[in-house]
Amino acid sequence: EDKVVQSPLSLVVHEGDTVTLNCSYEVTNFRSLLWYKQEKKAPTFLFMLTSSGIEKKSGRLSSILDKKELFSILNITATQTGDSAVYLCAAIQGAQKLVFGQGTRLTINP
Amino acid sequence: KAGVTQTPRYLIKTRGQQVTLSCSPISGHRSVSWYQQTPGQGLQFLFEYFSETQRNKGNFPGRFSGRQFSNSRSEMNVSTLELGDSALYLCASRETGEGTQYFGPGTRLLVL
Repeated sequence: EDKVVQSPLSLVVHEGDTVTLNCSYEVTNFRSLLWYKQEKKAPTFLFMLTSSGIEKKSGRLSSILDKKELFSILNITATQTGDSAVYLCAAIQGAQKLVFGQGTRLTINP
Repeated sequence: KAGVTQTPRYLIKTRGQQVTLSCSPISGHRSVSWYQQTPGQGLQFLFEYFSETQRNKGNFPGRFSGRQFSNSRSEMNVSTLELGDSALYLCASRETGEGTQYFGPGTRLLVL
């Protein structure tokens, strides 16, 4: 059965801390991995990772994919209260279907 | 470009009724996917439409159906509603069959 597992499920840190969110996957015909941030409404796109070992960065966020070990991490440095959200990773299976993880609920306390 | 829009945003139905949700993709996007999000199950794939054809379907009963029109707008229908159908229903669009999907704000359905 195809699955995507995220850890931890919940994380509470202080503003300014650095966090690492994990995503492992077992998906047939894997193509790419996506990271999304979901606050109150729709998930918003963060990164798409297709190649192994190439870090993608956007401001304080960065992510990398390891296709040999079947996992990805999302790093957030110098966290701010606005980073509080649920972070979702999803594996693109074939060309069409996304398989989502359960999400990591990140809470940043001031 | 305007983002993905979904209507209605909120809906309350009773068991046994049916419901139709609508999704308008980003202009130029031909693929529309539907997802159900619940606290217990997370985000689960329902189906994807591309150029008016259903290309992929998740593990949901036949009460869940959809269609796509020639302008790429899509509708999702749920018949004989059950309490467990209460969820946030999200649609997402993308330009072609691959790549990043962009999500709409969702329709929150409550079944009483």
